[in-house]
Amino acid sequence: KAGVTQTPRYLIKTRGQQVTLSCSPISGHRSVSWYQQTPGQGLQFLFEYFSETQRNKGNFPGRFSGRQFSNSRSEMNVSTLELGDSALYLCASSLADPTDTQYFGPGTRLTVL
Amino acid sequence: KNEVEQSPQNLTAQEGEFITINCSYSVGISALHWLQQHPGGGIVSLFMLSSGKKKHGRLIATINIQEKHSSLHITASHPRDSAVYICAVGNPSGSRLTFGEGTQLTVNP
Repeated sequence: KAGVTQTPRYLIKTRGQQVTLSCSPISGHRSVSWYQQTPGQGLQFLFEYFSETQRNKGNFPGRFSGRQFSNSRSEMNVSTLELGDSALYLCASSLADPTDTQYFGPGTRLTVL
Repeated sequence: KNEVEQSPQNLTAQEGEFITINCSYSVGISALHWLQQHPGGGIVSLFMLSSGKKKHGRLIATINIQEKHSSLHITASHPRDSAVYICAVGNPSGSRLTFGEGTQLTVNP
């Protein structure tokens, strides 16, 4: 079974731009969660989608948004990028519940200049 | 105070040593997860447990629900065990994971 894939793997943007990251979950997994990882804050929960609906959202500003498609693929978008948005963005999929065993993608490393 | 706290933050061991990483949490949980992250970022789920003890190869995870504490043990450590080990707890409603800050383990040959 193919694992979780994320594209792109690396991205360099400048302040004020917007970015879209993509995540394809394991086949059959309907829950997709997104996380931000930075050296100072560690792993932080962004949001979780299930059956095209956002079920939960972490404590991030509205510049961070996402969506899920009918095939469970998910995208996240960050608008008006700030330097502090530089981070590793990870998505993870699970069968139905984000507190089940999660399978992580390799991440997208975003650098904002 | 963080909801999930790990100790130690950094750990250096010699190959073959027995290693213990601790995780304490202050909230109710549905389950506790141990994750491993290698350089480059990839995260692998090692264990999910809600009671007792689980073993997989040289890795053992235990949890004490009453004391809100879990330990991850590595027996006969090897340099390939060098990684960051992260404890995460699922909230009772099953809506999200909360993560500890991680333990950087280095095993020297």
